[in-house]
Amino acid sequence: SQTIHQWPATLVQPVGSPLSLECTVEGTSNPNLYWYRQAAGRGLQLLFYSVGIGQISSEVPQNLSASRPQDRQFILSSKKLLLSDSGFYLCAWGMGGTGNTIYFGEGSWLTVV
Amino acid sequence: AQSVTQPDIHITVSEGASLELRCNYSYGATPYLFWYVQSPGQGLQLLLKYFSGDTLVQGIKGFEAEFKRSQSSFNLRKPSVHWSDAAEYFCAVGASSGDKLTFGTGTRLAVRP
Repeated sequence: SQTIHQWPATLVQPVGSPLSLECTVEGTSNPNLYWYRQAAGRGLQLLFYSVGIGQISSEVPQNLSASRPQDRQFILSSKKLLLSDSGFYLCAWGMGGTGNTIYFGEGSWLTVV
Repeated sequence: AQSVTQPDIHITVSEGASLELRCNYSYGATPYLFWYVQSPGQGLQLLLKYFSGDTLVQGIKGFEAEFKRSQSSFNLRKPSVHWSDAAEYFCAVGASSGDKLTFGTGTRLAVRP
């Protein structure tokens, strides 16, 4: 069966520091991978998605970037964090195509102080 | 572009009472519809999904949802709510290309003893 892992679960970082959140999927090949951010009262906002190694689509302009160095690895990064980057970040995967179902990791809480 | 509206931000029901959470979508073609549940500080778990066929779909934990094309709705129901159902519920719509899901802003359910 497929599993998704993301870490760290909780992170407190000062403004201006770098960020790296990592996500890996096991038990499948060539998945679509996603990074969502969840802010209170705003639902889930899609930040990035990837349909293959090195292929990244950005949904919103922001202070963050994503990379997919390996088939089942997806990394969310920032060179300099802003206070507004605080939130709950969720990695997800799906097989793409018609009726794609997306499955989520456990999430990472980021607090920028 | 597709969109999802969940008109109720918070709902409180008594344990044992019936529940209906509303979801309206906007999409020009055949939608793929999903309901997810999120416990505090956790990732999202898929409750059920509609792709085609029978418009009444059954999910996990005793939930069901009905697709009504004429009303552009996909409401989630449960005949008898348990205290463990207290969580946040998200409706989502997917395009036929299958690459992305668009989520609503969520409905937070509280269960009164």
